[in-house]
Parts: sequence; structure tokens; C-alpha cells
Amino acid sequence: KQEVTQIPAALSVPEGENLVLNCSFTDSAIYNLQWFRQDPGKGLTSLLLIQSSQREQTSGRLNASLDKSSGRSTLYIAASQPGDSATYLCAAAAGNLIFGKGTKLSVKP
Amino acid sequence: DTAVSQTPKYLVTQMGNDKSIKCEQNLGHDTMYWYKQDSKKFLKIMFSYNNKELIINETVPNRFSPKSPDKAHLNLHINSLELGDSAVYFCASSQVEHSPLHFGNGTRLTVT
Repeated sequence: KQEVTQIPAALSVPEGENLVLNCSFTDSAIYNLQWFRQDPGKGLTSLLLIQSSQREQTSGRLNASLDKSSGRSTLYIAASQPGDSATYLCAAAAGNLIFGKGTKLSVKP
Repeated sequence: DTAVSQTPKYLVTQMGNDKSIKCEQNLGHDTMYWYKQDSKKFLKIMFSYNNKELIINETVPNRFSPKSPDKAHLNLHINSLELGDSAVYFCASSQVEHSPLHFGNGTRLTVT
């Protein structure tokens, strides 16, 4: 049974810092790994999708990596801004999407 | 132009009642989903559906039933509501299975 874990559960950083969010999954037989952000009272917004054959994907200040063999993915956010404050969730696609509990990020001005 | 819209945004009802949540997507996607996010923010799949197949998470009580009048809609019907059904329910869609999901803004259901 696939399990997805995200560490840390919460993170607070000053504006401008680079940061890394971690995601681990127990079963490496995945189709892809997806990263989402969730703002309070809103649905999830898809950020990046890494296919199982890929190592990383980039979108603007975001870079996501995937290491299937170790069951890990990271989301790197460069030059963080207060607008990046949200909960970030990763999800492993193995049959259905299995979500982690998320990392709540707070970027302070 | 909301891609995935669900109504209502808030739903407060009493135990034992039957209620429905509607979902519509205008993206032309083939697959739609219902997710439940509990008080601990854990997001779990309830159903996935395309025009050929309904896949039900085995842990979902049969009081919950999805109904799809057409490809763009997947409504969620809940019978005999219980206190433990209180949660935020999200509808989502994707072009095909395993492609990026597009979520609605959620329906916060409170059962009293």
C-alpha cells in the first residue's frame, strides 16, 4: 500500500530565502509524482508533474526532483515571496493519486 | 471562467438527511474525481469516473454515490448523513488518468 509522507509539516522562512520541501513515498512503482499548492479555503492548484522516467521539472522559481529508487521527491523554491505562503502537497500516482498531508509554508516579509 | 466548479460552497445539515453536491468541468476532460479532505487536512480519493468506468475506493460507505448525467458533470449524493461525514469535499478532473488534476474550490459539509 502506497504511503506518502511530507516533512516538515510546517515551515516559516523570511522573504528571499531558498527552501526545500521534502516528500517520500513507500512504493516506487508510480506513474508520476505531482506537486500542488493549496491556499486557505481553496482547491488545489497543480504546480509540477514529474513522470516516472524523468528526474526533474522546472516552472519559474520552482524546481521539483524525483528519485524513484529512494522513494523521494523535493520541491525547491527559489527566492521565496510572501505570495508563496500556502500548503504544498505532493501526490504519488499509483493507480489513484495518493497524497501526503502537506507542508504549510509561511514566508514572512 | 471557472474550470472546475462545485456547488454549494458551504452545506450545513442535520444527521440523517440526504444531500447532493454538484460538480461541473468545462475543460473537456475525460476523467472526474471526488476527494474528501478531513479535519486533519488529509486528502483521500473517494471515486474516479470516466465515461466507461467507475472506480470506488473500497473504504467509502455505500451511502455515498456519484452520479454522472454527462461527461462534464459528476455529482455526489450522500444518504443518511452522519457526523463523521463532516469534511471538505473536492471535485477534480483530468484529461486522462494520471495527467495533472484540476480541482474545484471545495464544499465544506458540516453535519450537526
